[in-house]
Amino acid sequence: DAKTTQPPSMDCAEGRAANLPCNHSTISGNEYVYWYRQIHSQGPQYIIHGLKNNETNEMASLIITEDRKSSTLILPHATLRDTAVYYCIVRPDNSGYALNFGKGTSLLVTP
Amino acid sequence: GAVVSQHPSRVICKSGTSVKIECRSLDFQATTMFWYRQFPKQSLMLMATSNEGSKATYEQGVEKDKFLINHASLTLSTLTVTSAHPEDSSFYICSARDQGAGLEKLFFGSGTQLSVL
Repeated sequence: DAKTTQPPSMDCAEGRAANLPCNHSTISGNEYVYWYRQIHSQGPQYIIHGLKNNETNEMASLIITEDRKSSTLILPHATLRDTAVYYCIVRPDNSGYALNFGKGTSLLVTP
Repeated sequence: GAVVSQHPSRVICKSGTSVKIECRSLDFQATTMFWYRQFPKQSLMLMATSNEGSKATYEQGVEKDKFLINHASLTLSTLTVTSAHPEDSSFYICSARDQGAGLEKLFFGSGTQLSVL
């Protein structure tokens, strides 16, 4: 899997948008960008994934640069419950491969 | 979304005993399940890949005789930590692939906190 680079920690005020960046400059053409998050002492939760187009669902938006070397996860209106470690992972889809987790970004949403 | 149930959520055992952790896919069939381990303030580390009806594939450095994996059905995989020692204390998490509807998502159980005294 291509490696990713994320800032170790970020803060965000409640109600504001949280923009979490991820660099994946060695991503291959068949690799998707996945985002998961892990709230303390729980299993990771799927957020969103995409290949080249921007994606949006009920949880977040994913913006992927045209060269696919970086992406941004956007939580449009962060709440205190969004405090978690966010993992950006690149992985071939339909491959049966496990997700290999890096260190992620610890997001703290403050009142 | 798909649900993966993991049990127990927390277990405390004496050194030298064995502990079994169950991972079930509740509303989908999982031909492949993954087992992870997470130490405090660290990321998840893949231990092994479990395929239904065949032997598990272990990551380098993971002892297959210590961490026994059984995946006898499409909805159940078990991880048995044999002769547990304090250094095996960790958060164990399972994950299963949901290939339904063309989605290639992995869903995770809620984890098992193992404390070996």
